[in-house]
Amino acid sequence: EAQVTQNPRYLITVTGKKLTVTCSQNMNHEYMSWYRQDPGLGLRQIYYSMNVEVTDKGDVPEGYKVSRKEKRNFPLILESPSPNQTSLYFCASSPPGTLEQFFGPGTRLTVL
Amino acid sequence: RKEVEQDPGPFNVPEGATVAFNCTYSNSASQSFFWYRQDCRKEPKLLMSVYSSGNEDGRFTAQLNRASQYISLLIRDSKLSDSATYLCVVTGMDSSYKLIFGSGTRLLVRP
Repeated sequence: EAQVTQNPRYLITVTGKKLTVTCSQNMNHEYMSWYRQDPGLGLRQIYYSMNVEVTDKGDVPEGYKVSRKEKRNFPLILESPSPNQTSLYFCASSPPGTLEQFFGPGTRLTVL
Repeated sequence: RKEVEQDPGPFNVPEGATVAFNCTYSNSASQSFFWYRQDCRKEPKLLMSVYSSGNEDGRFTAQLNRASQYISLLIRDSKLSDSATYLCVVTGMDSSYKLIFGSGTRLLVRP
């Protein structure tokens, strides 16, 4: 089944404890992206990647890192999480030649 | 001014009604436009891309007005299952690969 998967789906952590949220797609998509969604602010793009080893900042990259070493995986890294990074995170990917996004199921992160 | 603006609603309509949403954008150079649907606490799902000539998919029609910088979504013969939040998306100011989402318009279809 064609899909975007994210792990973990739920995470409660403490300030400063490094964490990684994984994202994987099995559709051979080149474009991948991370978003956070907060009440009243909608989805905001954190980082995107147009292909392996090519990443770029979205609107809210501060406090996040990404890497794209393989086409299928696009992990999101929080080196030192803070409470203002408590949010719902979505990963998405797009087929070649389009920005139509297929989204993963989301990761609900709480930073205490 | 936000790059993409939507009326948050909610739009509360009876089944069978026709409802329309607009979304305004500030970047006149935006090239790609989309409508997504999001159910509560779920991932957004692509409803349709919006082309310059407009496009229709069953009960849904999307239009682009470049001169006035807005896109619209028309839903005819509303169903209870259309109740959701509708998000408009445009490409960003500093990169055509950057995507900017509106905050969404909530639609409630009542029996």
